[in-house]
Amino acid sequence: SQQGEEDPQALSIQEGENATMNCSYKTSINNLQWYRQNSGRGLVHLILIRSNEREKHSGRLRVTLDTSKKSSSLLITASRAADTASYFCATDETGGAQKLVFGQGTRLTINP
Amino acid sequence: NAGVTQTPKFQVLKTGQSMTLQCAQDMNHEYMSWYRQDPGMGLRLIHYSVGAGITDQGEVPNGYNVSRSTTEDFPLRLLSAAPSQTSVYFCASSHRGGRGTGELFFGEGSRLTVL
Repeated sequence: SQQGEEDPQALSIQEGENATMNCSYKTSINNLQWYRQNSGRGLVHLILIRSNEREKHSGRLRVTLDTSKKSSSLLITASRAADTASYFCATDETGGAQKLVFGQGTRLTINP
Repeated sequence: NAGVTQTPKFQVLKTGQSMTLQCAQDMNHEYMSWYRQDPGMGLRLIHYSVGAGITDQGEVPNGYNVSRSTTEDFPLRLLSAAPSQTSVYFCASSHRGGRGTGELFFGEGSRLTVL
């Protein structure tokens, strides 16, 4: 079964606004990663946050991780039309097996 | 660098046919994996490998076979195609870090239709 569940499934905002996407998961993790997928393309890695980190920034991206609540959020500030894409969280579970388990994704639409 | 290369990009099969999706990476990554992506289902892990000669099953391995004879290549074989295997398939690779799975590099996908 899938580990991460994302919320909302779809989000539509105006250009310049901030976009927040949430991810919940079920088991202990080594790290949590966020990926972006443009329509018809492969996924591109955005950011990785380790289980002992609480917040991480990369450009206009801000990721938080709350291991006590088993949740993470991705904030995109000052959104642009080019940010229109699907965003996925992926969790790397503890226990030895190296495999990333993906959520179902959030479809983000930025309206000009 | 080419990164992760998948072939073919598109394929149509008839039920019962077999085929191999090819995946090659030129980054000397130890870890390689195959996912399938279906509408509303996100990505589901089929098989993965942590090094040459080592493979393991993911969430949805039935109907698929893999082998890893070299570091660079990780082919995915469909043994007897079924309409339920109609999907977009992604190959991904990663450097095997000291703690946990690192950043995955994805190919552009192979779109498979089984009639």
